[in-house]
Amino acid sequence: GAVVSQHPSWVICKSGTSVKIECRSLDFQATTMFWYRQFPKQSLMLMATSNEGSKATYEQGVEKDKFLINHASLTLSTLTVTSAHPEDSSFYICSARVPSGGGREQYFGPGTRLTVT
Amino acid sequence: GDSVTQMEGPVTLSEEAFLTINCTYTATGYPSLFWYVQYPGEGLQLLLKATKADDKGSNKGFEATYRKETTSFHLEKGSVQVSDSAVYFCALLFSGGYNKLIFGAGTRLAVHP
Repeated sequence: GAVVSQHPSWVICKSGTSVKIECRSLDFQATTMFWYRQFPKQSLMLMATSNEGSKATYEQGVEKDKFLINHASLTLSTLTVTSAHPEDSSFYICSARVPSGGGREQYFGPGTRLTVT
Repeated sequence: GDSVTQMEGPVTLSEEAFLTINCTYTATGYPSLFWYVQYPGEGLQLLLKATKADDKGSNKGFEATYRKETTSFHLEKGSVQVSDSAVYFCALLFSGGYNKLIFGAGTRLAVHP
């Protein structure tokens, strides 16, 4: 149980274009999902918390107009990197929190590697 | 604020050696503590967890005990294998808000035959 998928697993895009990353909880409903960014050989940095049906809560220093998050259903959250630049190249990871009663741990997707050329 | 400190890597061991990866935390209240593992090219997987003081989490031969008195959650394994080579992250669950995880910097483990 508690499987989280991400699509695509890797993507290459040109500078100035936008790219959308999907995060799905496959066998449970997730009212809360999280988006992280991981730089090479570094830890995960929380970007934002996504709640189904409401606006995402962004961490300090994360541009909400650049990283658009939509949590339209209980099993899907999307992250859109708008007007991507090479410095946005990174590994983006989502996680989903098991609903209350199932513990408070988060289950992570396999990540999406974004390369902006 | 809440934070997690892990020993710096990389840690290089021979197969069947004993492993310890230190993790200490600073937190208000009583957080839950986790170890996650990230294999090359993959996302994070929950390795083990402990939700209160003196709890011992264990999985796949790995163990960690929640020590409130020393604010520590050290990861141990009695005999590592080459397949254990990965990056290990210690994390605590933020006491308030939307269950925000706070990660340590990660410790890379390399096990050689």
